[in-house]
Amino acid sequence: ETGVTQTPRHLVMGMTNKKSLKCEQHLGHNAMYWYKQSAKKPLELMFVYNFKEQTENNSVPSRFSPECPNSSHLFLHLHTLQPEDSALYLCASSQGGELGYGYTFGSGTRLTVV
Amino acid sequence: KNEVEQSPQNLTAQEGEFITINCSYSVGISALHWLQQHPGGGIVSLFMLSSGKKKHGRLIATINIQEKHSSLHITASHPRDSAVYICAVEWNDKIIFGKGTRLHILP
Repeated sequence: ETGVTQTPRHLVMGMTNKKSLKCEQHLGHNAMYWYKQSAKKPLELMFVYNFKEQTENNSVPSRFSPECPNSSHLFLHLHTLQPEDSALYLCASSQGGELGYGYTFGSGTRLTVV
Repeated sequence: KNEVEQSPQNLTAQEGEFITINCSYSVGISALHWLQQHPGGGIVSLFMLSSGKKKHGRLIATINIQEKHSSLHITASHPRDSAVYICAVEWNDKIIFGKGTRLHILP
């Protein structure tokens, strides 16, 4: 266990469903991130939250909606996804707003859109 | 063109061999990371480097800022080292990831 917990570990959803991914950290970190990892592609940054404020949205489609209610929790709300959105979604956190320092990843949620 | 290039893409070696994975980048960076991704997808941060060399157990990471190059070495490799090793660089408040090197250590 890395200190960053993601649930669920696996998710299968239809294109008309609405679901949410959850990420939780109790490391005292103030920055949290969502990454997408598709097959045979590098990790892609989706969203960054620093001190609960969204500081980056990396041209992500609106069918992905992040929410950060406090510095320990991060959600990714999903609706009307496409099969090409099937991927591993990774959450990470880091100390303060300094990218990379104390960077810790969760184990990911394997999402399959059918 | 990816700003971060790793080589080799795939590497199979016998247990006990000395392993080297290389990372080259084309931008001016503030730090470089080596990450290890296990078959289930979980990622562990191995090193963060901005200069010189770091060692942790059987793992050694080096970086040459002038040559824009870093290497990850594994001494006395073991089957449990089998994983994908990812190089990532910090540049302009972003992190750019390489595609990873898939390492398979045979018993």
